[in-house]
Amino acid sequence: DIVLTQSPGTLSLSPGERATLSCRASQSVSSTYLAWYQQKPGQPPRLLIYATSRRATGTPDRFSGSGSGTDFTLTITRLEPEDFAIYYCQQYGPTPWTFGQGTKVDIK
Amino acid sequence: QITLKESGPSLVKPTQTLTLTCTFTGFSLSTSGVGVGWIRQPPGKALEWLGTIYWDDDTRYSPSLTSRLTITKDTSKNQVVLTMTNMDAVDTATYYCAHRGRSSSGYYDDYFDFWGQGTLVTVSS
Repeated sequence: DIVLTQSPGTLSLSPGERATLSCRASQSVSSTYLAWYQQKPGQPPRLLIYATSRRATGTPDRFSGSGSGTDFTLTITRLEPEDFAIYYCQQYGPTPWTFGQGTKVDIK
Repeated sequence: QITLKESGPSLVKPTQTLTLTCTFTGFSLSTSGVGVGWIRQPPGKALEWLGTIYWDDDTRYSPSLTSRLTITKDTSKNQVVLTMTNMDAVDTATYYCAHRGRSSSGYYDDYFDFWGQGTLVTVSS
């Protein structure tokens, strides 16, 4: 199984700051097969990014994804109050599809 | 507009079989490329993919659960059913069903772009 390790576990930032979230895979993942989700308490995950860098419908352009091989990044250029949440990466290359353990972005 | 909703028991006893139904609108599971996946999340923990059923009746399961898990579909009712046998306390989680992702160019792939609200299943005697 491909293990996805997200870092940091928690990111404490202020509104307006830039957030950089990392997702590292235990083996190479095609950039076609990496997605990012946002989850708020009591809600299901919301798709933000698929195929490493393609924004899902409705994803604000302050969210961007990049990376290749084993290292992928989600960047939020200027944090808005509604962006404080938990973020998960997912690989959907070889089965089983797997998720990272999440990065919590909270208010400093 | 795509919506999905999970239904089923909130409490099951250890060793029992769990049956959850996902009822959806806004798409058809007879359309080429379409799929519905099941994902679970133990309280305070990360997401775990369980399995996916596709428009052509193909199914894929997590290897760790393949002996306990069955996913079926009823296209006429717009429903997908998850059956998990021999439930244990470690299976306590919120169970989500989700629509297989469709890109802006119409290509389907195995991320999930629409999710149900989830249903919490507690395994306890």
